[in-house]
Amino acid sequence: AQSVAQPEDQVNVAEGNPLTVKCTYSVSGNPYLFWYVQYPNRGLQFLLKYITGDNLVKGSYGFEAEFNKSQTSFHLKKPSALVSDSALYFCAVRDWGTYKYIFGTGTRLKVLA
Amino acid sequence: NAGVTQTPKFQVLKTGQSMTLQCAQDMNHEYMSWYRQDPGMGLRLIHYSVGAGITDQGEVPNGYNVSRSTTEDFPLRLLSAAPSQTSVYFCASSPPDEADEQFFGPGTRLTVL
Repeated sequence: AQSVAQPEDQVNVAEGNPLTVKCTYSVSGNPYLFWYVQYPNRGLQFLLKYITGDNLVKGSYGFEAEFNKSQTSFHLKKPSALVSDSALYFCAVRDWGTYKYIFGTGTRLKVLA
Repeated sequence: NAGVTQTPKFQVLKTGQSMTLQCAQDMNHEYMSWYRQDPGMGLRLIHYSVGAGITDQGEVPNGYNVSRSTTEDFPLRLLSAAPSQTSVYFCASSPPDEADEQFFGPGTRLTVL
């Protein structure tokens, strides 16, 4: 069965510093991986996805993610964090065959001024 | 396009009452799903549909019913509300291609007393 894990409940980073939010996955076959962001009292918004091709994927708001097949990871990164990046971030994988999306438990990012 | 809409935004029920959470999308997406979000649990899939007339159970289907009579609408019914169903509910839709991301509604916050 497909699954994703987000090992950190919360990540704190100072404004201007680089940030990383971790995600590891377990899939059979080629993975379709996604990152979403949720701001307070809002629905989830799509940030970026990995389907195939370049291991470094660029997305919205300056975020990027690095796909690493050998480490089965898909970490979300940003070179310079903003206070406005503070939100809840979810990693997800789409299950082949059933079309279901499977979400991680989320990581709360706090960017400190 | 309005995207994915959900009504109501907030609802308070008493134990044993029934209600329907409405979800509609105007993007002609085949795939629709319902999630509940609880603190520390991430997003858990309740039911999903890969097209009109086709529904299937997700991870936590007990106590909920769905139907998909049109491509646009995917209502979620609570048959006899219980306090354990207090949660924030999100509806999402996507095109059928496995590489496509989901679009989320703004959510319904449900409290069952």
